[in-house]
Amino acid sequence: NAGVTQTPKFRILKIGQSMTLQCTQDMNHNYMYWYRQDPGMGLKLIYYSVGAGITDKGEVPNGYNVSRSTTEDFPLRLELAAPSQTSVYFCASSPGTNNEQFFGPGTRLTVL
Amino acid sequence: QKEVEQDPGPLSVPEGAIVSLNCTYSNSAFQYFMWYRQYSRKGPELLMYTYSSGNKEDGRFTAQVDKSSKYISLFIRDSQPSDSATYLCALQNTGFQKLVFGTGTRLLVSP
Repeated sequence: NAGVTQTPKFRILKIGQSMTLQCTQDMNHNYMYWYRQDPGMGLKLIYYSVGAGITDKGEVPNGYNVSRSTTEDFPLRLELAAPSQTSVYFCASSPGTNNEQFFGPGTRLTVL
Repeated sequence: QKEVEQDPGPLSVPEGAIVSLNCTYSNSAFQYFMWYRQYSRKGPELLMYTYSSGNKEDGRFTAQVDKSSKYISLFIRDSQPSDSATYLCALQNTGFQKLVFGTGTRLLVSP
C-alpha cells in the first residue's frame, strides 16, 4: 500500500497562474481532505469529501476548487494564484467519521 | 478565543527527560482527542487517539484528557533524539468529519 500520495512535491507559480494539486489514496477510504499548513498556524481545512461526487467547504475554501469523481482521487484546483496561497498543502484520507486521518507527504507551493 | 490553544515552543530537553506537551480548548462538545507527530518536511502521522476523558498509554507515550478543565496532555518518557518533531493536538466532535488542530509544539531532544 502506498497510502496517500501527492504530486507535485514542490511548485513555484506566478501570480494569476492556475494549477491542480493531485491526491490519490489506495486504502479505499470514503473520506478525503485538503489542508493547508502555514508557519505557526497549524492545519486549516480547505475542502473535504465524504464520497465520490460529494464535496463540502472547510474553513478556508476561497480561491480553491475540488472535485471527487472516484474514490481514489481528490484533486485541488487553484485558480488565479495569489501570494497568500503560498503554503504547504496536505491531502488526507479516513475510513469514516471519528477515525484516524492518514496524511500524504505534502506539496510545497510558492506563489511569486 | 481560539478553539484550541497550543504553545508553539520550541521546547528543548536533554535525552532521557520526561516531556509534557499540552493543549487547551474551549468547545466542550469535543469527544475525540488525538496527537499527531510531524517530522520536518513530512506529513503528520497519528501518535495517540483517545475518546472522552482518561489516560491512554502506548510504550513511552501517555495521553491524558481532562474534560472538566478542557485540557489535554501528551507525556513522553525517556525522550530520544528521534522524538524531535512537531506535535499537533487535534480534536473532533462526535459525528463530525472535521478535525480542529492546534498550532503544534516543536520539540527538540538533544543527545
